[in-house]
Amino acid sequence: AQSVTQLDSQVPVFEEAPVELRCNYSSSVSVYLFWYVQYPNQGLQLLLKYLSGSTLVKGINGFEAEFNKSQTSFHLRKPSVHISDTAEYFCAVTTPFGNEKLTFGTGTRLTIIP
Amino acid sequence: EPEVTQTPSHQVTQMGQEVILRCVPISNHLYFYWYRQILGQKVEFLVSFYNNEISEKSEIFDDQFSVERPDGSNFTLKIRSTKLEDSAMYFCASRNPGRANTEAFFGQGTRLTVV
Repeated sequence: AQSVTQLDSQVPVFEEAPVELRCNYSSSVSVYLFWYVQYPNQGLQLLLKYLSGSTLVKGINGFEAEFNKSQTSFHLRKPSVHISDTAEYFCAVTTPFGNEKLTFGTGTRLTIIP
Repeated sequence: EPEVTQTPSHQVTQMGQEVILRCVPISNHLYFYWYRQILGQKVEFLVSFYNNEISEKSEIFDDQFSVERPDGSNFTLKIRSTKLEDSAMYFCASRNPGRANTEAFFGQGTRLTVV
């Protein structure tokens, strides 16, 4: 079974400052990793995904994440945040076989301070 | 761009009543899922559906829950006798099983409130 840990439940950041949202996973087999964003009162939107290949993946809205197998991490970063980035961010993991159900972390609420 | 659609967006029901949440997955997708998110908590897997049968279900998905793909386009989640603790946001998702397109696409969710 897989698990995901998002250590930071809330992250306040000043506008135009950089941000890193942390995600660590646990799995005995190879994994696919995802970051989803949930804007207030909306559904889940895919930000980016890691399937294989380059460990640095770029997503929408200027976000990127780096897969680190030795540290079992997949941290999400953005060099300069905007007010519109205020949302809940979920890291998720699945395995590349079977029904590929997603296991989510508990989420990190990113609040941008003007 | 194709998308997963869910109806209704919000449903209020009395405890003990049956509810059916509806989803229209992306048309060429083959895997279908229901997840739920209790307010303030993480998104949890309920059930996956493939080839017209349940492929996996979580411990949450007890005998009160059922899923169906009645007509080749809709995918429904039925809760037979709702409890207060069933109040949550329910998300439908679908996926194309090809390796290059393995991400799940989520609907906007149905907020179920049991009173």
